[in-house]
Amino acid sequence: GQNIDQPTEMTATEGAIVQINCTYQTSGFNGLFWYQQHAGEAPTFLSYNVLDGLEEKGRFSSFLSRSKGYSYLLLKELQMKDSASYLCVGRDDKIIFGKGTRLHILP
Amino acid sequence: GAVVSQHPSRVICKSGTSVKIECRSLDFQATTMFWYRQFPKQSLMLMATSNEGSKATYEQGVEKDKFLINHASLTLSTLTVTSAHPEDSSFYICSARAGSEAGYTFGSGTRLTVV
Repeated sequence: GQNIDQPTEMTATEGAIVQINCTYQTSGFNGLFWYQQHAGEAPTFLSYNVLDGLEEKGRFSSFLSRSKGYSYLLLKELQMKDSASYLCVGRDDKIIFGKGTRLHILP
Repeated sequence: GAVVSQHPSRVICKSGTSVKIECRSLDFQATTMFWYRQFPKQSLMLMATSNEGSKATYEQGVEKDKFLINHASLTLSTLTVTSAHPEDSSFYICSARAGSEAGYTFGSGTRLTVV
């Protein structure tokens, strides 16, 4: 079957680091995305991994292990505006959304 | 970067009426557009895949006669919610992929409220 699992909610402190994990099961694999979605808004693209390893983009990094069906999104130097849902999205012949992780940032 | 323009952003309609939502790719040609629905605190759910010049492919459980999709050109896809009911109230989002780019670009979404 096709399945994306990620934690429902996480809480972290402003200025800290948080890691959001995602495990996936897809019939095929053509990459894994991370999107950020603020309440009531459309998702915005954060990262795309198709090969194993870490991709770094400023404060955000994404990691992929295809053999383990595992990815994580790492957010550093957290800011209040990072409070949002983070969607782990797998792609085989179509894109499959995880339920999203709601990240709460405390001052 | 690739931009998908979606209109309207918010619409309130009476039960039984129809509502049309438009998505345009502004600076690229989108042979395929995807339509999603998102209920509060839930994940995006794919409703249908819209292919330019051919019939849309609907996901299981989505009524094709209720959610009419037209993709008449490479830059425009429309979703019409026919005979809307309060349970159709949701956030509808389209997305498209610009050529070989990795990311899917999303429209800004349409919040539909049926009263």
